[in-house]
Amino acid sequence: GIQVEQSPPDLILQEGANSTLRCNFSDSVNNLQWFHQNPWGQLINLFYIPSGTKQNGRLSATTVATERYSLLYISSSQTTDSGVYFCAVEEGGGFKTIFGAGTRLFVKA
Amino acid sequence: GAVVSQHPSRVICKSGTSVKIECRSLDFQATTMFWYRQFPKQSLMLMATSNEGSKATYEQGVEKDKFLINHASLTLSTLTVTSAHPEDSSFYICSADSGSGETQYFGPGTRLLVL
Repeated sequence: GIQVEQSPPDLILQEGANSTLRCNFSDSVNNLQWFHQNPWGQLINLFYIPSGTKQNGRLSATTVATERYSLLYISSSQTTDSGVYFCAVEEGGGFKTIFGAGTRLFVKA
Repeated sequence: GAVVSQHPSRVICKSGTSVKIECRSLDFQATTMFWYRQFPKQSLMLMATSNEGSKATYEQGVEKDKFLINHASLTLSTLTVTSAHPEDSSFYICSADSGSGETQYFGPGTRLLVL
């Protein structure tokens, strides 16, 4: 099956700093999503981005499907950005969604 | 819009009992619902995919007699953990697909602790 790798696994930022999270996937995908899991466990949709670039406030994402990677940019980080960021892809030809291991982000005040 | 609820949010039960978790799509009809399991500090692992009115499709290694899934309507899916054991303790999360083929919407999760 498809492999999804996220990096870095852990990240500590000072409030106000910028960061880039990466998601590599081993095969073609139907779609790709970025999620933020808050400390209470709730998964929040950030982007549906099988290709191209999208922006939403301080967050933006870019997926280069031909090179099988996606990037999530966080600018001017805030303490509320802390949590785990997951990349999830849907395998081509099916509905199965595969999650990466996540990037655990802690933003210090 | 696109809200998914789960009930209960947390449950503690004795070993050997069964626990039912409900997943509801509140403002849309979900053609497909998914059940995930997440151990502490780990990623989400898909357990099964359920479509309304048909049998669930279980992932390899997931015991279908242990984890009973019923998708009785377009807004409700239930997961029953039968004869629960301490190793079944985990965070169970459901998600729903409106059929757009794009975004899955996730419930808030249910923390199960089996003593």
